[in-house]
Amino acid sequence: DAGVIQSPRHEVTEMGQEVTLRCKPISGHNSLFWYRQTMMRGLELLIYFNNNVPIDDSGMPEDRFSAKMPNASFSTLKIQPSEPRDSAVYFCASSLPDWGAGANVLTFGAGSRLTVL
Amino acid sequence: AQSVAQPEDQVNVAEGNPLTVKCTYSVSGNPYLFWYVQYPNRGLQFLLKYITGDNLVKGSYGFEAEFNKSQTSFHLKKPSALVSDSALYFCAVSVSGNTPLVFGKGTRLSVIA
Repeated sequence: DAGVIQSPRHEVTEMGQEVTLRCKPISGHNSLFWYRQTMMRGLELLIYFNNNVPIDDSGMPEDRFSAKMPNASFSTLKIQPSEPRDSAVYFCASSLPDWGAGANVLTFGAGSRLTVL
Repeated sequence: AQSVAQPEDQVNVAEGNPLTVKCTYSVSGNPYLFWYVQYPNRGLQFLLKYITGDNLVKGSYGFEAEFNKSQTSFHLKKPSALVSDSALYFCAVSVSGNTPLVFGKGTRLSVIA
């Protein structure tokens, strides 16, 4: 398996533009997580899905952020409009579907580094 | 609510010396505890986990961690550090495995030759 695949790896955009980050989880992993990493706040959970259904989006900072998972092999995180404070590394991670002893062993993608000017 | 504290932003150790990276946690319920490592420009990688049983758990690359319930700690250790261990280390906690992981802010480990 190629692991969790994220694109783009780097994105530089101007304030006010729409940004779409993409993620392909590992096949068979039914849980998908979006995290944001910054120097100031560390690693923050934005939203997670189980079986393509959003379970908890309380970490999404504002209405400018939205996430979808139309099928088991694809998810997007969209920021519209983008602002300089959104600059961060955004990670997608996936895991096996069952909670418990096998859970929480996340496989992370390489991340998407977003810079908003 | 669940939370994790990593009291040290940076840990420096000489190659060949033992290393410890500290972590304390706070949860309402049974903690499931994890360590992840992040190398430059990479995503986090799973190192080891504590669910139940033996308080000393062994993981990848010779790392181990000790669960201490009375001190609510889960420190990461390695008997002999390598320069290649230099990376950013994250402690994380879940409540009984039924909640998403909450990560600490990370500790940067620097192993000096």
